[in-house]
Amino acid sequence: LAKTTQPISMDSYEGQEVNITCSHNNIATNDYITWYQQFPSQGPRFIIQGYKTKVTNEVASLFIPADRKSSTLSLPRVSLSDTAVYYCLVVTGRRALTFGSGTRLQVQP
Amino acid sequence: GAGVSQSPRYKVAKRGQDVALRCDPISGHVSLFWYQQALGQGPEFLTYFQNEAQLDKSGLPSDRFFAERPEGSVSTLKIQRTQQEDSAVYLCASSLTGPLTGELFFGEGSRLTVL
Repeated sequence: LAKTTQPISMDSYEGQEVNITCSHNNIATNDYITWYQQFPSQGPRFIIQGYKTKVTNEVASLFIPADRKSSTLSLPRVSLSDTAVYYCLVVTGRRALTFGSGTRLQVQP
Repeated sequence: GAGVSQSPRYKVAKRGQDVALRCDPISGHVSLFWYQQALGQGPEFLTYFQNEAQLDKSGLPSDRFFAERPEGSVSTLKIQRTQQEDSAVYLCASSLTGPLTGELFFGEGSRLTVL
């Protein structure tokens, strides 16, 4: 299984762009990269998924370089409500998702 | 409802008691997952169903943990002879197809406290 490594915590201010990088050196050819967001007392929520290059949706962008050994979740113009834990996962075939410890993002006013 | 529903939301059990946690997935979702989340940690995989078949139970921590989904919809996670280390939030998730899609829909969880 591809192990992921991401920062334990990050701090930002409202209106700034936040980039959270995740490394996954052992990613396999058929694996996808997926990011989830979790607020206290709630289950994780899917944010975005990608295989290579760049994916963008209404919430975030996901940048994946050609070697796919890392990925960066980009949150444009964060607000206080973006304070949460963000998980980077590698989706491997038929195996269920494996979460790490995530990155705790704290957005200050 | 439109989302994954879990009950009870909170459960307090005395050590040694049996507990049952229920999950109602989104209607039509083929796959169902159970995760355990300890305070301050990420969710840990317990087991996975595709319809009524339990395809992976490698994450169940002991034989005191048992999960079923007899008709391919509602699932129950049962913990026998609960111990203090079982205290955690138990999350259920469902997906329309299999895990490779990556998009799981989680419930709000059942918080179990074992005294």
